[in-house]
Amino acid sequence: SQTIHQWPATLVQPVGSPLSLECTVEGTSNPNLYWYRQAAGRGLQLLFYSVGIGQISSEVPQNLSASRPQDRQFILSSKKLLLSDSGFYLCAWTRDWVTEAFFGQGTRLTVV
Amino acid sequence: AQTVTQSQPEMSVQEAETVTLSCTYDTSESDYYLFWYKQPPSRQMILVIRQEAYKQQNATENRFSVNFQKAAKSFSLKISDSQLGDAAMYFCAYRSTSSGDKLTFGTGTRLAVRP
Repeated sequence: SQTIHQWPATLVQPVGSPLSLECTVEGTSNPNLYWYRQAAGRGLQLLFYSVGIGQISSEVPQNLSASRPQDRQFILSSKKLLLSDSGFYLCAWTRDWVTEAFFGQGTRLTVV
Repeated sequence: AQTVTQSQPEMSVQEAETVTLSCTYDTSESDYYLFWYKQPPSRQMILVIRQEAYKQQNATENRFSVNFQKAAKSFSLKISDSQLGDAAMYFCAYRSTSSGDKLTFGTGTRLAVRP
């Protein structure tokens, strides 16, 4: 069966520090991968999505970047965090013939 | 670009009653998928129901059903016999089949269930 792992679950980082959140999918190949951010009490904002290795689509120009170094690995990064980067980050995957999305457990990021 | 709009930030329903959550979307595509997801306080995203755009019949999953109006680009969720465990944030989502499988969510509706 397919599983998705997202870590860390909780992160507190100072302003100006770098960020690296990792998401890995197991049990499938060539998944579509997504990063979302959810501000407190708000909706899901699509940040990046990828349909293959090295193929990254950015939805919102901002302080973040994404990379897909391997087929089932999706990384969200920042060189210098801002206070506004605080939020709940969710990774998700889909496949062409599997219509629904499966989500990781999320990472709660607090920038102080 | 596809957009998903949920115009009800908060809704409240009495236990055992019925409630309808609204969702509209904007697209120029003819083939796509629509979803309702539930997010309880644990923040885990749970699929409630899905609808393929090419199907005219409205999807149903136990107490959950949708009213899919393709021409009006409307996709509402009806919850019957509401239970305390239904209290959560509900998100409507659109998945494109052509634009790189882009998956777009609405801003969500927070549902409270009164005992």
